[in-house]
Amino acid sequence: DIQMTQSPSSVSASVGDRVTITCRASQDISKWLAWYQQKPGEAPKLLIYGASSLQSGVPSRFSGSGSGTDFTLTITNLQPEDFATYYCQQAKSSPPWTFGQGTKVDMK
Amino acid sequence: QITLKESGPTLVRPTQTLTLTCTFSGFSLNTNGVGVGWIRQPPGKAPEWLALIYWDDDKRYSPSLKSRLTISKDTFKNQVVLSLSNMDPVDTARYYCAHRDTPTRPFQNAFHIWGQGTMVTVSS
Repeated sequence: DIQMTQSPSSVSASVGDRVTITCRASQDISKWLAWYQQKPGEAPKLLIYGASSLQSGVPSRFSGSGSGTDFTLTITNLQPEDFATYYCQQAKSSPPWTFGQGTKVDMK
Repeated sequence: QITLKESGPTLVRPTQTLTLTCTFSGFSLNTNGVGVGWIRQPPGKAPEWLALIYWDDDKRYSPSLKSRLTISKDTFKNQVVLSLSNMDPVDTARYYCAHRDTPTRPFQNAFHIWGQGTMVTVSS
């Protein structure tokens, strides 16, 4: 199995901050990486696929980068609605797929 | 508009088999490239990918749960069914089904739309 490791596990930030979350794969996954946002009591919501492609309807303050084993999700100008938990997921062309353990973004 | 909804028992006894149904609308599982997957999430923990079925009936399973999982589809009813045998309290989780769209761009693999999930508790 491909293991996904996110860091940090939590980050405290203020509205307007820039937040960076990293995700590392245990083996090369090229750009087969997705990022999700999950708020309490809700299902995860797709933000980014292909490591850097923004899903339709997702604000441009979210961006992703990376390839191979190291990936980053960046939120610029953090908004109140962005306080949530974020998960990376490796989604290689042939499953199984695996999720990271999550990063909680909370208010400083 | 794509929607998915999970249904099934909320309480299962240990050793029983859990059967969940995902009823969807807004897309067809006959469409080339489309898939429906199942993911579970124990309270306070990360999601865990369970299984995925494609339009062509190709089925993929989590290696750690493969011996206990069965996924199937009924394209006429717009449903996908997941069975998980020999349930244990550690299987207590919210179970989600989700839509995997036909890739039209490179590396476009992900669960694009999720259902609301259904909470399943395993207890005697």
